[in-house]
Amino acid sequence: GAGVSQTPSNKVTEKGKYVELRCDPISGHTALYWYRQSLGQGPEFLIYFQGTGAADDSGLPNDRFFAVRPEGSVSTLKIQRTERGDSAMYLCASSLASGSTDTQYFGPGTRLTVL
Amino acid sequence: AQSVTQLGSHVSVSEGALVLLRCNYSSSVPPYLFWYVQYPNQGLQLLLKYTSAATLVKGINGFEAEFKKSETSFHLTKPSAHMSDAAEYFCAVSLSNTGNQFYFGTGTSLTVIP
Repeated sequence: GAGVSQTPSNKVTEKGKYVELRCDPISGHTALYWYRQSLGQGPEFLIYFQGTGAADDSGLPNDRFFAVRPEGSVSTLKIQRTERGDSAMYLCASSLASGSTDTQYFGPGTRLTVL
Repeated sequence: AQSVTQLGSHVSVSEGALVLLRCNYSSSVPPYLFWYVQYPNQGLQLLLKYTSAATLVKGINGFEAEFKKSETSFHLTKPSAHMSDAAEYFCAVSLSNTGNQFYFGTGTSLTVIP
């Protein structure tokens, strides 16, 4: 079956611009996660959705970052007034449920470059 | 605080040799542990996970890992390396009292020498 998909695969933008990154989870998965991976680092948690609501957004670095999942499926990560430090790989994952033991299935990521 | 430490950011082994990738965790509550592999330009793929059942966990592609509470470790092993095993490997911990986010190590890049 289809896995987690993310679009675009690459995004280059200029400092100060607004960007949207899209994640399409595995069908039927209720939990959706966003992570950010900087070069040479492991993924770092940003936000987690259970259904339509953000159950935990403690990883969002500041109020320039926002994410939505209006219908409980596709999610969009939105970054306002981008900064060069926002450049990273943004990963999305989904899981069937939201328990500690539930496997998270990752998409290929969106590489964001802020010039 | 909880964290994951992967000793050795780069590991090189000869084809056919034992693969050992180290992972230690720090947690005040029972952890659940995962190993993921990341091939170039691909997403993270689950290799195996420990969820408090058997301490020796077998995964895909011949990999296995053993949970050792006394050593707070979850090292990944494979008896005989293949060229196709060259990739980035990440250890991650999920905590029983948070339930959601994974905490990842910084990764180990495995090179297999023919």
